[in-house]
Amino acid sequence: AQTVTQSQPEMSVQEAETVTLSCTYDTSESDYYLFWYKQPPSRQMILVIRQEAYKQQNATENRFSVNFQKAAKSFSLKISDSQLGDAAMYFCAYSPYSGGGADGLTFGKGTHLIIQP
Amino acid sequence: DAGVTQSPTHLIKTRGQQVTLRCSPKSGHDTVSWYQQALGQGPQFIFQYYEEEERQRGNFPDRFSGHQFPNYSSELNVNALLLGDSALYLCASSFSGVEQFFGPGTRLTVL
Repeated sequence: AQTVTQSQPEMSVQEAETVTLSCTYDTSESDYYLFWYKQPPSRQMILVIRQEAYKQQNATENRFSVNFQKAAKSFSLKISDSQLGDAAMYFCAYSPYSGGGADGLTFGKGTHLIIQP
Repeated sequence: DAGVTQSPTHLIKTRGQQVTLRCSPKSGHDTVSWYQQALGQGPQFIFQYYEEEERQRGNFPDRFSGHQFPNYSSELNVNALLLGDSALYLCASSFSGVEQFFGPGTRLTVL
């Protein structure tokens, strides 16, 4: 079974600075997807960024980027120029590639990100 | 364009009762997944419905069952409620792709 581990229960960063959230996973599959989701106090889960395992290039979305190390099974999220609106729970998630659309996601326990003004 | 909607927002039940939660997928989506998120934890996959059939299932007992209707909306049913079933229940929809769009969730409290 696949597992996702987030070892940082809470992180704090000053506004406008950069923060990196860590995630490791375990799988025997060679093709899969990795995601970072954001869950603010409103509870709505929002996709931040995704990475296909077959792609060597790290995904980026504006201020958000990932460092995907397939051999080490590591998938960290870097948030640059942190903003107050970035404060939320961040979840790392894994999905196998089945070729038939979205599969059930396996989530980590989350990292609570605090932005200090 | 309406996103994923869930009802009710919050409900309270007692042990042993049965509950039904509802989900309407994002317009154009045909696949619905359900997740349980206990307090302070990440969501756990319950099951996924596609073409009115259960396509995948996570490690949940048979007390958890579901249904998908021809309009792609879905229900999650939980029988014989336990205190441990108290959680936020999230619905997510997708269409022929990897990205799942989540609803705001239903907070279930079992007393």
